[in-house]
Amino acid sequence: GENVEQHPSTLSVQEGDSAVIKCTYSDSASNYFPWYKQELGKRPQLIIDIRSNVGEKKDQRIAVTLNKTAKHFSLHITETQPEDSAVYFCAAGYSGAGSYQLTFGKGTKLSVIP
Amino acid sequence: ETGVTQTPRHLVMGMTNKKSLKCEQHLGHNAMYWYKQSAKKPLELMFVYSLEERVENNSVPSRFSPECPNSSHLFLHLHTLQPEDSALYLCASSPSRTDIEAFFGQGTRLTVV
Repeated sequence: GENVEQHPSTLSVQEGDSAVIKCTYSDSASNYFPWYKQELGKRPQLIIDIRSNVGEKKDQRIAVTLNKTAKHFSLHITETQPEDSAVYFCAAGYSGAGSYQLTFGKGTKLSVIP
Repeated sequence: ETGVTQTPRHLVMGMTNKKSLKCEQHLGHNAMYWYKQSAKKPLELMFVYSLEERVENNSVPSRFSPECPNSSHLFLHLHTLQPEDSALYLCASSPSRTDIEAFFGQGTRLTVV
């Protein structure tokens, strides 16, 4: 089955700096890589995702990169703000015919210091 | 509330109790999931239902019993739980079994005493 490793487990940055979270996965069949943000006491919310036919995707201050050869993908947050403080989860899975499911990383607790 | 709704938000139960968690989705999705979220662990997939048929059961103990009466509702029946079952239980839905973009509910915080 799929195995997803996520690093670091905690990350503190100064407001305005960039934050990078990295994930690796094991199953080369995976083709869907979402990132979720979970604020304290709230539900995980999808913030960005990437599929294996693209290498990079941006949405305002958030970007995700994917390297299928190396089986790793990363989340980049630029110009961080205090409201970016949360736990971020990466996941990997196969979206298509078959019986695949999302496998999640352990999460990264991001703290943005004002 | 739109999206995925879970009730109750918090639940405290004794080890001999029987209780049920409820999930309802208003997104027109055909697949629904139960996840367990424990501290310092990845989200653990427990059950998957597609069009009301259980398609995945990831070695979950029988003290957890899911039920999916229709594509909008999902239940998790609990009985004779252990303290280590205390966790946040999250329901999610996706458009279909093959389109796995998951939308989560807010979860039920379960404490077993």
